[in-house]
Amino acid sequence: KNEVEQSPQNLTAQEGEFITINCSYSVGISALHWLQQHPGGGIVSLFMLSSGKKKHGRLIATINIQEKHSSLHITASHPRDSAVYICAVNTGTASKLTFGTGTRLQVTL
Amino acid sequence: DGGITQSPKYLFRKEGQNVTLSCEQNLNHDAMYWYRQDPGQGLRLIYYSQIVNDFQKGDIAEGYSVSREKKESFPLTVTSAQKNPTAFYLCASRDLGRPNTEAFFGQGTRLTVV
Repeated sequence: KNEVEQSPQNLTAQEGEFITINCSYSVGISALHWLQQHPGGGIVSLFMLSSGKKKHGRLIATINIQEKHSSLHITASHPRDSAVYICAVNTGTASKLTFGTGTRLQVTL
Repeated sequence: DGGITQSPKYLFRKEGQNVTLSCEQNLNHDAMYWYRQDPGQGLRLIYYSQIVNDFQKGDIAEGYSVSREKKESFPLTVTSAQKNPTAFYLCASRDLGRPNTEAFFGQGTRLTVV
């Protein structure tokens, strides 16, 4: 069993829909990261969370430390949101990250 | 602008040849990492370095080598001993003085061995 599990693996939505991507982890962590990978392959960091909730534009990330679960929400989705979204956790050892397998999101018109 | 530069973006090599992937950062980060990405799998750690002239093996170091002669640079060599080298390789860096901060990633190098 992977230490970081994401669901769903694939997601298709129509423009304007509210999207939720889930991440569960089985290890103790000091922080959780949400990353975005576009078709070209480069990765950008969206959020780093250790508790509570963060919001940036149409993106919202939440984390429940007791339940070892995080969610990434996208409000009013747009085709430019189409990407792979990756959850990663920092287990505190040499700042190494352990990654989920990603959720491939496609937003259509 | 500060960031991480990986080169080249695409690389083709014949089986049995060593190949070196470049990673340079101007963020003054102490820690640098190399990850490998295969379809359907999460990124896996190959090697990491927390300080110049020191580095540690990650989860899948066999068939790879690295060096850290300068803080800004962390090249990865894929040797002929790597049995399945075709993959997407990502370099990342973090500020160890602020461990719970975001990681920065390069644009990746897609290596194809024929």
